[in-house]
Amino acid sequence: AQSVTQLGSHVSVSEGALVLLRCNYSSSVPPYLFWYVQYPNQGLQLLLKYTTGATLVKGINGFEAEFKKSETSFHLTKPSAHMSDAAEYFCAVSAGSNYKLTFGKGTLLTVNP
Amino acid sequence: NAGVTQTPKFQVLKTGQSMTLQCAQDMNHNSMYWYRQDPGMGLRLIYYSASEGTTDKGEVPNGYNVSRLNKREFSLRLESAAPSQTSVYFCASISGGNTDTQYFGPGTRLTVL
Repeated sequence: AQSVTQLGSHVSVSEGALVLLRCNYSSSVPPYLFWYVQYPNQGLQLLLKYTTGATLVKGINGFEAEFKKSETSFHLTKPSAHMSDAAEYFCAVSAGSNYKLTFGKGTLLTVNP
Repeated sequence: NAGVTQTPKFQVLKTGQSMTLQCAQDMNHNSMYWYRQDPGMGLRLIYYSASEGTTDKGEVPNGYNVSRLNKREFSLRLESAAPSQTSVYFCASISGGNTDTQYFGPGTRLTVL
């Protein structure tokens, strides 16, 4: 079985500040990890993913995440927040057959001017 | 190339009514999925189809049925809608492999009165 925990259902930052969204996972097999973003009234869009190889993964819009096996974490960061980053962010893990994704409950990011 | 499309975008039902949510993808993907999204719950898998001709239950299948009509289309049916099925429903597809990206449709917002 696999699970995802996102710490903090709501994170608020100032424009230009560091963005840090936390994700911890549980998996009995080597996981594949994903971050998706959802803008209001839209579907989900892939930000980045970790499969194998380099543990620091770069994605779209300046986001990156680091896979830390020892900490079972895959935290999402961005050095400088922009107003357009305001959205809900979901961490997900795929670790079984049939490529099913298990999602965390989401973190709503608010960016203040 | 439209990606994943869903119809309708919005629907209001009365308790006990039935309806079918339609999903189609034009990416020649093998696997398709239905999720529901509820506030504070993230996305939960209802049913999936690993390949044409197969369907399997996900985490929350009760009250739903699915049909993989062909490789492109995967429909979700509510036989007797209940207020607990008020949600936003997302369809997704994937080419194959845990490392692949799931592509999501824009969602159907369903309200059951």
